[in-house]
Amino acid sequence: GDSVTQTEGQVTVSESKSLIINCTYSTTSIAYPNLFWYVRYPGEGLQLLLKVITAGQKGSSRGFEATYNKETTSFHLQKASVQESDSAVYYCALGDWYGGSGNKLIFGTGTLLSVKP
Amino acid sequence: NAGVIQTPRHKVTGKGQEATLWCEPISGHSAVFWYRQTIVQGLEFLTYFRNQAPIDDSGMPKERFSAQMPNQSHSTLKIQSTQPQDSAVYLCASSRSGGVAETLYFGSGTRLTVL
Repeated sequence: GDSVTQTEGQVTVSESKSLIINCTYSTTSIAYPNLFWYVRYPGEGLQLLLKVITAGQKGSSRGFEATYNKETTSFHLQKASVQESDSAVYYCALGDWYGGSGNKLIFGTGTLLSVKP
Repeated sequence: NAGVIQTPRHKVTGKGQEATLWCEPISGHSAVFWYRQTIVQGLEFLTYFRNQAPIDDSGMPKERFSAQMPNQSHSTLKIQSTQPQDSAVYLCASSRSGGVAETLYFGSGTRLTVL
């Protein structure tokens, strides 16, 4: 079945430094899945950060970017200069109707980002 | 727009008791999803409704878990004979029509603790 892998459980970055959170996916689908990043800020619910539904495209929001790379099956999240307010838990997710997952999203295990002032 | 509303925020039950969790989706959304979050398993899909009909319950533990959506304004997740391993944060989400590319809007979750 489909799966999403986030290798880092926790990442600590100093304010104004760059960030990359890794996400790779696996699918048996004949089509390309939809890819998402969701975020949970402290004290808030899980919310969409960005999504890309076309392979090869880039999504962006709040200074974050992620490029859908079908060759490496990756969807890494990047930001050039993080702020303390970016401290949150970030989840990569996959939606893949043709891969047998139906309409549900498959989530990675999440990466806790801590930004040091 | 109040967003997805989940009640209660916290629930503590004794082993063997029943727990009912409530979810009110965003008005106008026809799809409701239930997920469970634990440290060990992460975010696990439980079940999904569209237009109040159950579509996919492939993630539901078969014996003690059940979910219903009696009307378009609320869904319930019931756990009978709760066990300590049921302790988790239960998340409800809604989307406009349940399409796989749609944005899910999550509630704040219900933290269930089984003693």
